Amino acid sequence: AQTVTQSQPEMSVQEAETVTLSCTYDTSESDYYLFWYKQPPSRQMILVIRQEAYKQQNATENRFSVNFQKAAKSFSLKISDSQLGDAAMYFCAYSHGNNRLAFGKGNQVVVIP
Amino acid sequence: AAGVIQSPRHLIKEKRETATLKCYPIPRHDTVYWYQQGPGQDPQFLISFYEKMQSDKGSIPDRFSAQQFSDYHSELNMSSLELGDSALYFCASSLRVTYEQYFGPGTRLTVT
Repeated sequence: AQTVTQSQPEMSVQEAETVTLSCTYDTSESDYYLFWYKQPPSRQMILVIRQEAYKQQNATENRFSVNFQKAAKSFSLKISDSQLGDAAMYFCAYSHGNNRLAFGKGNQVVVIP
Repeated sequence: AAGVIQSPRHLIKEKRETATLKCYPIPRHDTVYWYQQGPGQDPQFLISFYEKMQSDKGSIPDRFSAQQFSDYHSELNMSSLELGDSALYFCASSLRVTYEQYFGPGTRLTVT
């Protein structure tokens, strides 16, 4: 079974600064997908960004970008110019094909005004 | 854009009762997933359907069953409820070729 590991349960960042969340995963597959989901206090699960394992180029969505290191099985999320609305729990997730998502335990991001 | 719809949003049941959760996927999405998120936990996969057929099964108790109907909506049926079933239940949908799962707002089930 695939496992996803997120360390640093809580991260604090000053507004307008940058924060990086770490994620590692374990898989024997060569073709898979990685995601970051955001869960604000409303508990809604919001897809932030995705990365296909076969793509070498790191994905970017506005202020969110990833550093995907396939050989190291590492998938970190960088939030630039942090805003108060970025405060949330962030989950790293893995899927193989169109199958179930396996989530990490999450990183709580606190944004300090 | 249309999102995943779940109903009810909140549900309170007593032990040993039955609950039915409903999910309406994003139009044209062909795959539906159910996840359970306990307090302070990450979401855990329960079951999924592709084109109305069960496609994958996770750690879903035998007391739970689910199906997807001809209009693609899905229902999760939960019987003999236990206190430990209290959780947030998410439905997600995807279009098989894109692999991106979009989540509904969740149903908060409280068992007393």
